Amino acid sequence: QQQVKQSPQSLIVQKGGIPIINCAYENTAFDYFPWYQQFPGKGPALLIAIRPDVSEKKEGRFTISFNKSAKQFSLHIMDSQPGDSATYFCAAYVLWGGSQGNLIFGKGTKLSVKP
Amino acid sequence: NAGVTQTPKFRVLKTGQSMTLLCAQDMNHEYMYWYRQDPGMGLRLIHYSVGEGTTAKGEVPDGYNVSRLKKQNFLLGLESAAPSQTSVYFCASRSHSGTVNTGELFFGEGSRLTVL
Repeated sequence: QQQVKQSPQSLIVQKGGIPIINCAYENTAFDYFPWYQQFPGKGPALLIAIRPDVSEKKEGRFTISFNKSAKQFSLHIMDSQPGDSATYFCAAYVLWGGSQGNLIFGKGTKLSVKP
Repeated sequence: NAGVTQTPKFRVLKTGQSMTLLCAQDMNHEYMYWYRQDPGMGLRLIHYSVGEGTTAKGEVPDGYNVSRLKKQNFLLGLESAAPSQTSVYFCASRSHSGTVNTGELFFGEGSRLTVL
C-alpha cells in the first residue's frame, strides 16, 4: 500500500514531442505528490508538485494531471527539448496528515529527447 | 548557500572495511535523510532523522548505522562493507517548522561507493 508504481521505465521522444510519465498509488492518505528531475551525476531536484484537491498544475512546459478517483497522476512535458533528457521520479507523501510519513519514490523513468 | 554537501564523492572499499559518509546542510533543516540509488530500483530510504539526536530506520536499514549529533550533520556508517552495498548514496534534507512545511527535499550530489 506504500508503493508508488511508475511507468514507463524509459522513454525516447523527438524534440517537440510530449512525453507522458504515469504513476499510480494505493494509499489514500497521501496528500502531496511531487515530481523530481535528476540529471546524470547530480542529485534529484524538485520539478513540480501537486496536492489532491486540484486536478492539474502547470509550471512552464511541465504539467501534472491528477486523477484522485483512479489514484493516478502523470507528468506531461510540452515541447520537449534535448535539455529535458533526465531521469524523472514521481513520489508521494503523507505531508500534512496527522500521521506524517516519508516520501515514497517511484522507480524512475529515463527520458531521452532526440534532437 | 552550499545547500546539502556530501563527502566523499567517490570511495572504493574492500569487503569488510568500514567507512563513514558525511552529510552537511546549511539550511537549518530539521529533517535529514539517507537514500541509496541503484539501477531500476529508484531511491530507497536507508535511515532518517527528524531532529538533532534522533534517528529512525527506513526501508533498507540493514548494514548501516547513522548519527545526528548536530542539527546540520547526518552521518551514515558502514561497519563491515559488503559488495551489495555498492551504490550511489544521496543525502537530503527538508524543513518542517511551523508553517514552513513545503515538503521539498533538497538533495546532495551523491556519493558513489564501490565495495570490492
